[in-house]
Amino acid sequence: EVQLVESGGGLVQPGGSLRLSCAASGFTFSRYSMNWVRQAPGKGLEWISYVNGDSSSINYAGSVWGRFTISRDNAKNSLYLQMNSLRAEDTAVYYCARDLLLGSSGLFLDSWGQGTLVTVSS
Amino acid sequence: DIHMTQSPSSLSASVGDRVTITCRASQSISNFLVWYQQKPGKAPRVLIYGASTLHSGVPSRFSGGGSGTDFTLTITSLQPEDFATYYCQHNYNTPRTFGQGTMVEIK
Repeated sequence: EVQLVESGGGLVQPGGSLRLSCAASGFTFSRYSMNWVRQAPGKGLEWISYVNGDSSSINYAGSVWGRFTISRDNAKNSLYLQMNSLRAEDTAVYYCARDLLLGSSGLFLDSWGQGTLVTVSS
Repeated sequence: DIHMTQSPSSLSASVGDRVTITCRASQSISNFLVWYQQKPGKAPRVLIYGASTLHSGVPSRFSGGGSGTDFTLTITSLQPEDFATYYCQHNYNTPRTFGQGTMVEIK
């Protein structure tokens, strides 16, 4: 069974930093691209970052570019999100999600963690 | 960036109703369109990918259509467990933006 478990969320002051982790199990982690998606309280979903299996391709949403860094350690079956210069508007539940590609246009986020809450407030 | 617009933002419907949600992309995304369902306090789950392919285990009352810029998600006979928020997302390029969501509520 595919499992993704996020950790590392919590309360942080504006301008501070936090590192989120996502522990993966039940599949060959290195073969899958991974993503971070966030959801502010009462709001919609926001895709924020992507990394492919060998970390040779990385992308970010403009809202986090230059402040957040995605990384992975395939030996530890783990995905990370280093968040710096945090702002109040970064307050959200952060999900890690696995990419699945079926066919030429069948790319989607097929497995999600339960999410970890990050609150940026003084 | 490609902007995704869903309509309506919310709707009220009864069990057994036919419901259609629309998603429009700001530029052509071919059929790189996914529909997710999310219930309160839970992670989203995929319903439809490639604009019209039903994901494994998803009931056949869900269907997707469209290509280019205009897409639809249809629920042919709404069931109690279908009351949730629905999101479209494009996977044409990055950023892989989501629509703002459509909340389906009980009438």
